Amino acid sequence: DTEVTQTPKHLVMGMTNKKSLKCEQHMGHRAMYWYKQKAKKPPELMFVYSYEKLSINESVPSRFSPECPNSSLLNLHLHALQPEDSALYLCASSQEASNLEQFFGPGTRLTVL
Amino acid sequence: QKEVEQNSGPLSVPEGAIASLNCTYSDRVSQSFFWYRQYSGKSPELIMSIYSNGDKEDGRFTAQLNKASQYVSLLIRDSQPSDSATYLCAVKAGGFKTIFGAGTRLFVKA
Repeated sequence: DTEVTQTPKHLVMGMTNKKSLKCEQHMGHRAMYWYKQKAKKPPELMFVYSYEKLSINESVPSRFSPECPNSSLLNLHLHALQPEDSALYLCASSQEASNLEQFFGPGTRLTVL
Repeated sequence: QKEVEQNSGPLSVPEGAIASLNCTYSDRVSQSFFWYRQYSGKSPELIMSIYSNGDKEDGRFTAQLNKASQYVSLLIRDSQPSDSATYLCAVKAGGFKTIFGAGTRLFVKA
């Protein structure tokens, strides 16, 4: 299995809602990432997990809360988001955090009303 | 501020031509370099990685790296309309963070 999967594909939520994005990989990768991508912009790193531990938090607002339950799963919990948080949220994984290629999932298109 | 610079394009080439995409980076200690292709509305797809100076070929794609000039490029031979996409240059300097350029939009005319 060489895929990174993400659910849901699309999500519409109000500013008072709580929702979660899910990411899964079965490539045995030990590093997983969350990126945010706005239209016509490059992906912006949000969080890096290495061996299930949070290694990088790029000063992301606390309304975004990552969780890595095990080496194959990565969640992003969302609460009290703002309309400007609407974007494509991408999960990626790599063999190790310090090296090599990252492989991206298909993304979750998030709209905050 | 570590930066990765790309011409935003669009770069327009006729079908069958060579498309040349360029990228410069500011951090001299950068070690790993990647090219991703991203179709509109889709996620980035890794095309090539290159770690040492020189050329690396994979099918119709050739990545070129010149660390002295802090320059990396991607050549696409025999360009096809299906190659029309945004190409993202990405650089890793060490540590866990990969920095992406803003991307170059490529349009291949049939």
